[in-house]
Amino acid sequence: GQNIDQPTEMTATEGAIVQINCTYQTSGFNGLFWYQQHAGEAPTFLSYNVLDGLEEKGRFSSFLSRSKGYSYLLLKELQMKDSASYLCAVSDSNYQLIWGAGTKLIIKP
Amino acid sequence: GAVVSQHPSRVICKSGTSVKIECRSLDFQATTMFWYRQFPKKSLMLMATSNEGSKATYEQGVEKDKFLINHASLTLSTLTVTSAHPEDSSFYICSARSLTVDTSPLHFGNGTRLTVT
Repeated sequence: GQNIDQPTEMTATEGAIVQINCTYQTSGFNGLFWYQQHAGEAPTFLSYNVLDGLEEKGRFSSFLSRSKGYSYLLLKELQMKDSASYLCAVSDSNYQLIWGAGTKLIIKP
Repeated sequence: GAVVSQHPSRVICKSGTSVKIECRSLDFQATTMFWYRQFPKKSLMLMATSNEGSKATYEQGVEKDKFLINHASLTLSTLTVTSAHPEDSSFYICSARSLTVDTSPLHFGNGTRLTVT
């Protein structure tokens, strides 16, 4: 079966750095997405990786290793507004998105 | 950027009634839209793929007669929850791609929180 694993919850301190991991087993791979979802709101797109390596976009970076079925989202200089759930989603061989359950990130002052 | 508008944002209805949710792509044409359902602290669950001018494709376990989807134009898809029951209470979200490339990101509507009493 297809499976996306990511931690349920993480806690970090304002100003610090946090890494949210995602591992996947899917039938085929056409890229991995990270989305941010604040409570009660719809997800918003953060990043897309299809090749191995690191993609940097401001305070957020996303890394992919296809051979390991692994990705992480790195958030630097954490701000209170970064408190949200972070969803990992993989596009499979049919371009269907397989969603992880999300990681709830709690930022403490 | 691409904007998807979803309406209403919240709706409370009585058991047995029907509720229609609209999803519009405001600045792009979407031949395909996706309808998701999300329970508290759970992941997004794809319900169906809405195709303009043709029948929607429903995921396994989703009742097509209960969740009616109509995609009448390139900018509008609707989801009607028929004969709603309390267990239908959930957060419903639509999404679309602004590009026809399958690997382009999804743009989401703001979601509709449905409460059935």
